[in-house]
Amino acid sequence: GENVEQHPSTLSVQEGDSAVIKCTYSDSASNYFPWYKQELGKRPQLIIDIRSNVGEKKDQRIAVTLNKTAKHFSLHITETQPEDSAVYFCAASTAGNQFYFGTGTSLTVIP
Amino acid sequence: DAGVIQSPRHEVTEMGQEVTLRCKPISGHNSLFWYRQTMMRGLELLIYFNNNVPIDDSGMPEDRFSAKMPNASFSTLKIQPSEPRDSAVYFCASSSLARMSEQYFGPGTRLTVT
Repeated sequence: GENVEQHPSTLSVQEGDSAVIKCTYSDSASNYFPWYKQELGKRPQLIIDIRSNVGEKKDQRIAVTLNKTAKHFSLHITETQPEDSAVYFCAASTAGNQFYFGTGTSLTVIP
Repeated sequence: DAGVIQSPRHEVTEMGQEVTLRCKPISGHNSLFWYRQTMMRGLELLIYFNNNVPIDDSGMPEDRFSAKMPNASFSTLKIQPSEPRDSAVYFCASSSLARMSEQYFGPGTRLTVT
């Protein structure tokens, strides 16, 4: 089955700096890659996703890049703000709709 | 739409008792997922259904765990008997099969087994 690895497990940045979280996957058939944000005590919520026919997608301060050849994808958050502090999960999915989640990255933005 | 609904939101029970968690997916969604989240193991998929049929239950930890989806608008996850190591947050999520799409998570049930 699919194996998704996520790094780093924790990340601290100064407010205004950028944050990058990286994930790798093993199954070349995976074609959908969502990113979820989970604030403390709350449910995971989708913040951005990318499909395998696209190399990059951007939504305001958030962007995701995908390298199918290398089987890795990354989340980029620019101009970080304290409210970006949360746990971020990447996931990979094949033609079926089962998600394989990474182990999560705890991001702390220091004011 | 009210989103995915889970009940109860919190459950505290004694070891050996039966626990039933409930989920109502978003209307029109035909895939439903049960996850367990702990600090040690992160977010684990327990089982998922497509069109009310269980597709993959390989994540169900033991025979003490069972899940049903009798119709498109309701699913249960049962633990019998419960053990302290079952303490976790259990999330239900739903999505549409029609296209690759996000899974919408419910608010979760925080289970504590003493």
